[in-house]
Order: sequence, then structure tokens, then C-alpha cells
Amino acid sequence: NSKVIQTPRYLVKGQGQKAKMRCIPEKGHPVVFWYQQNKNNEFKFLINFQNQEVLQQIDMTEKRFSAECPSNSPCSLEIQSSEAGDSALYLCASSQDWGQDTQYFGPGTRLLVL
Amino acid sequence: GQQVQQSPASLVLQEGENAELQCNFSSTATRLQWFYQRPGGSLVSLLSNPSGTKHTGRLTSTTVTKERRGSLHISSSQITDSGTYLCAMEPDTGYQNFYFGKGTSLTVIP
Repeated sequence: NSKVIQTPRYLVKGQGQKAKMRCIPEKGHPVVFWYQQNKNNEFKFLINFQNQEVLQQIDMTEKRFSAECPSNSPCSLEIQSSEAGDSALYLCASSQDWGQDTQYFGPGTRLLVL
Repeated sequence: GQQVQQSPASLVLQEGENAELQCNFSSTATRLQWFYQRPGGSLVSLLSNPSGTKHTGRLTSTTVTKERRGSLHISSSQITDSGTYLCAMEPDTGYQNFYFGKGTSLTVIP
């Protein structure tokens, strides 16, 4: 069973507002991923980290999204200026390494942008 | 871009029947991973399979990466198996991220 913790579970923001969500990966997991699941049930990869370093991120993330995984603090994903299309379930996952290990998912933060 | 197609989109079974879920993908992959999504959102990792056949409990995953396809077999389905089953493909780019299919919605009825 996954021990990835995500907060808050629900987040409601107005358009243009910042939206910040946090993730505590499983202990001992240096690799963290963020995914977005939209209302059509489609998953999209956003960004991933190994320890504090960003390894890969998509264009959307580079423009309005910022993310970090500081040492000894929760990882975070922040949308600088929320848009209606950002309403989705944001899932954080962690894994032990880049090899054959599986990813463990948190329960997600459901963002609603009004 | 990467494409992952799952079929069927939805499936209704009577308790005790077997289910066969298919996953096809458009590019070469390092492995397939199957997830179960409970109603309400949280994901559970089921099987991670680079190739061949893997079993856990009533689940059997078969991955044929050369043919860009995989499957998940659920034997003796139970009502608690109801939910969405997602196939995710890890491309062989060297980065461990996944491209997901849209899922198969499974409903098991008494």
C-alpha cells in the first residue's frame, strides 16, 4: 500500500489565483513524479525529480507551473495563475530508482478553478 | 507523441467470470505497468512488467514489447474488482515517466 501523502485533498481557486499543492513521497524514495488527470480521465505527465533535481518536464509545466522537491521538506507543485482548464486531479507518485521499480501514488489533490 | 490505446473501454461481468483487458502502444517501450483506480481517484499499482508473463493473485499480466501490446487477465472476478484499470507505458527514452491509456472501466455484478 502506498504511503505517499498529498495535501490538500481539495483545492478551490479563482481564475488568476495561485494554487499550491504538496506531496510527501514514501520514505527512501528519491524519485517523484507529478501527473494531471483531467475530467476526461486522461493522464498527463507534468514533471519529475530525482532528489532535488528536475529531470524532465513538459512545456506546460515550464510556463505556468513551478515545482520543487527541497531537501527535508514536502515536494510542491504550484500553478502561478490558475485557468479553468487546470481543473483536474493532480497525482504525485514516488519510486526508489530509475530502474524497474514501480511508482506509488498518493490520493491526489483535486483542483477546481472557478 | 506517445499513444496508448486500451480496450474495451468498459466491461460488465458477472461475479466469477474472467476479464481480459488489452493495451496497445505506438512506440517501443521499456515496460508496461497496470494500475487500478478506485472510484474517487486514488491509484494502486498492480503489476509492472517489462516482458513476458507475471502473476500476482488473480491477476496475470502479459507484455509483448516487440509487438507493442500487453494484456491484463483477471480471473474469477469479484464485486470489489470494480473500478478503472489503467495501462501505462514507459517509453525507452531513459526517463522513468509513463504515458497512460484512458482505462477500462470494469463493473462486476452479483
